[in-house]
Amino acid sequence: NAGVTQTPKFRVLKTGQSMTLLCAQDMNHEYMYWYRQDPGMGLRLIHYSVGEGTTAKGEVPDGYNVSRLKKQNFLLGLESAAPSQTSVYFCASSFRTGLAGVRYTGELFFGEGSRLTVL
Amino acid sequence: AQSVTQLDSQVPVFEEAPVELRCNYSSSVSVYLFWYVQYPNQGLQLLLKYLSGSTLVKGINGFEAEFNKSQTSFHLRKPSVHISDTAEYFCAVSDGKTSYDKVIFGPGTSLSVIP
Repeated sequence: NAGVTQTPKFRVLKTGQSMTLLCAQDMNHEYMYWYRQDPGMGLRLIHYSVGEGTTAKGEVPDGYNVSRLKKQNFLLGLESAAPSQTSVYFCASSFRTGLAGVRYTGELFFGEGSRLTVL
Repeated sequence: AQSVTQLDSQVPVFEEAPVELRCNYSSSVSVYLFWYVQYPNQGLQLLLKYLSGSTLVKGINGFEAEFNKSQTSFHLRKPSVHISDTAEYFCAVSDGKTSYDKVIFGPGTSLSVIP
């Protein structure tokens, strides 16, 4: 059981270039999220999705776009990369309802992260 | 809006000594509370969680945390740390409702275990 898988794990971009991070989960989770992690700031939510075909903005959405065409995949795109987007990006997923019908709690399952450097 | 404070950004501790990592959150009617651990160059994994019931919660690797509603705290403790506990620890709060964007993370505490 792979859980949450992110690709690529490392990437270096030049300012203005575009790229896409792919997140795949095999736990049949309804919800998926993209966070960025910066020193001393914890994790900040970029975008999230509550189901296939739906996405919504989080705390820091500017400069990013997302798509969820399939339930198991959540893509994060940078159309024109900027040095301020240098960060470690984490994908996460969660249940809508857990085992035995326990409703959403906020417990998240994370990928291993993607380190992006924008020069 | 909900917020989470981790009072110590770095905690050095000698091996086999006890440790407490502090977490406070802003008041809410009901909350779910989590501690996640991040080992170097890895993603976050759940250490323990409080959803309801007993205020003392036990997690993996000998960690435990106590929910204190009156002090809005959820401090993490371990009676004897090991070198392998060196990691970043994040406290997180969910507001207990079906609000998918409302899991708030603290800034993290870096635990360094000294041999």
